[in-house]
Amino acid sequence: DAGVTQSPTHLIKTRGQQVTLRCSPKSGHDTVSWYQQALGQGPQFIFQYYEEEERQRGNFPDRFSGHQFPNYSSELNVNALLLGDSALYLCASSLGPYAGGPDTQYFGPGTRLTVL
Amino acid sequence: QQQVKQSPQSLIVQKGGISIINCAYENTAFDYFPWYQQFPGKGPALLIAIRPDVSEKKEGRFTISFNKSAKQFSLHIMDSQPGDSATYFCAASKEEYGNKLVFGAGTILRVKS
Repeated sequence: DAGVTQSPTHLIKTRGQQVTLRCSPKSGHDTVSWYQQALGQGPQFIFQYYEEEERQRGNFPDRFSGHQFPNYSSELNVNALLLGDSALYLCASSLGPYAGGPDTQYFGPGTRLTVL
Repeated sequence: QQQVKQSPQSLIVQKGGISIINCAYENTAFDYFPWYQQFPGKGPALLIAIRPDVSEKKEGRFTISFNKSAKQFSLHIMDSQPGDSATYFCAASKEEYGNKLVFGAGTILRVKS
């Protein structure tokens, strides 16, 4: 059973460019959340997708956008990259609203984005 | 009100000792408290979690203690091993489906052999 997978592993971009990161959820999961983890800090919630819609959003600017596909995979897009966007971007998947119980989230290995 | 405060920032423990990491929260609406373990270059992995209707949960060498009135919870690692050396994050969320995790800043644990 494959866990959460993310691609690419590493990415180097320059300021002002745009980037797309990809995530495939754990088998059986239909909810995907994205987090940003700056070096030496805890992950910060960006947004969450369920049924192809953004259901929750953290305190991130509109430069951060996403998408969820019918197969539950997801993309995170960041426009007009800033130096401060350099971080590890984590995808987490979980069961949907009818699973019951706490929304246990399982994380992928992350994509390390470096903005020069 | 959404913050989770974690301490200490770093911790060095001898092999076989007990590692203790503490977290405090403000938002009384939180009702799910997981702990994650993260190794360098990897994503966080769920270690153990607790809900506020119990004061303690134990899984193997890992125990969560929960104090609802003090709005604090802690992770105890018994018989700490060098392989436990990692960064540990506490987190909190509501037990509604799909609610975001609010993480502490993390504790870097080093277990000396």
